[in-house]
Amino acid sequence: DTGVSQDPRHKITKRGQNVTFRCDPISEHNRLYWYRQTLGQGPEFLTYFQNEAQLEKSRLLSDRFSAERPKGSFSTLEIQRTEQGDSAMYLCASSTATGPPQPQHFGDGTRLSIL
Amino acid sequence: AQSVTQPDIHITVSEGASLELRCNYSYGATPYLFWYVQSPGQGLQLLLKYFSGDTLVQGIKGFEAEFKRSQSSFNLRKPSVHWSDAAEYFCAVAGNAGKSTFGDGTTLTVKP
Repeated sequence: DTGVSQDPRHKITKRGQNVTFRCDPISEHNRLYWYRQTLGQGPEFLTYFQNEAQLEKSRLLSDRFSAERPKGSFSTLEIQRTEQGDSAMYLCASSTATGPPQPQHFGDGTRLSIL
Repeated sequence: AQSVTQPDIHITVSEGASLELRCNYSYGATPYLFWYVQSPGQGLQLLLKYFSGDTLVQGIKGFEAEFKRSQSSFNLRKPSVHWSDAAEYFCAVAGNAGKSTFGDGTTLTVKP
């Protein structure tokens, strides 16, 4: 169990640029989740995958956000035309999909700062 | 819709004192409840979980939590706090798809 890894850890970019984050889940986990966390708040659900299928997207996820999980392994989250309000920590988590909801294993996140 | 409320934004306790962090949830069916801890700049680590059965659940690092359906609460406790427990604590409720709704967290400060 090598844990969930996220890359990069930090991203600083100018408003209007596109950014892409990567998440590598625990290898045997077939569910993968993306959350956004701003200062002083808990993580907010963005989207989740079961294997390669994206099963749910939050209304928070505007059309500037897109996520993929090709082949059901790693996932990418892309933000196009970034805005100041996109500054946040983006967390990825993974879990198994057997029985009752399983605890999610979180990566250390990607902190996005928009200049 | 599911929701979680953590009424205490910030709690300060002395090292060695007992701790209780409050969590109230709203969920239409059987709740699946979790407590996570987050240190600065890091992701969340699971402390404990409740699915069913015994309403008092034990977790890692000496933490425990009690599920009270009548009060819609899932409070986290520790009998004696250590300085290393200083962190932010999140309560979460999950639906069948595993998607979790988190509270806004409680920041714990430990005084020497």
